[in-house]
Amino acid sequence: QQQVKQSPQSLIVQKGGISIINCAYENTAFDYFPWYQQFPGKGPALLIAIRPDVSEKKEGRFTISFNKSAKQFSLHIMDSQPGDSATYFCAALRGGNNRKLIWGLGTSLAVNP
Amino acid sequence: DVKVTQSSRYLVKRTGEKVFLECVQDMDHENMFWYRQDPGLGLRLIYFSYDVKMKEKGDIPEGYSVSREKKERFSLILESASTNQTSMYLCASSLQLWEKLFFGSGTQLSVL
Repeated sequence: QQQVKQSPQSLIVQKGGISIINCAYENTAFDYFPWYQQFPGKGPALLIAIRPDVSEKKEGRFTISFNKSAKQFSLHIMDSQPGDSATYFCAALRGGNNRKLIWGLGTSLAVNP
Repeated sequence: DVKVTQSSRYLVKRTGEKVFLECVQDMDHENMFWYRQDPGLGLRLIYFSYDVKMKEKGDIPEGYSVSREKKERFSLILESASTNQTSMYLCASSLQLWEKLFFGSGTQLSVL
């Protein structure tokens, strides 16, 4: 039973465009929402993360938007570059006594030059 | 920068063999994790450890065991490798459990 649903599975964007990846979660007891970026042949690396007390967090060209009522959070990559081509994973940290990081299945992003 | 080093980039083993995957981190992190990554299935947690000699099962522990005798080293053991354990194995460490995981580059294991 997947508690974090990520879409789309793959995405092609032109250089300079905006890449948008969405995640939805099914349980309100999540309290930390990170995004990881994975290049081919490498392990994932933390890109940006947000907590539910804020609705948006921006780091450079990367922005997380968080909608608590809709149980959704998204990653926006502004001015997408070919070097952004990678697989992106969202995740959500389940709170309470049984804390665990629940992962989305990933989005493969290709930015065409 | 935190460095998480996995001993092998590629590994080929025979079914029934005992396989050891080694992982070392250099930042004195309390927490270490083993994931496997398969196309279309994302990252699945096998085991994690929050202290030396402490371990917890993840979502798919069957067929695997782990060892953490020293803080910096976390080993994944396949007691009797099977073809369905062919996968990319990723080790990670973190200072705070579940937050800001640092991953190694992975070991691509093929079981023939």
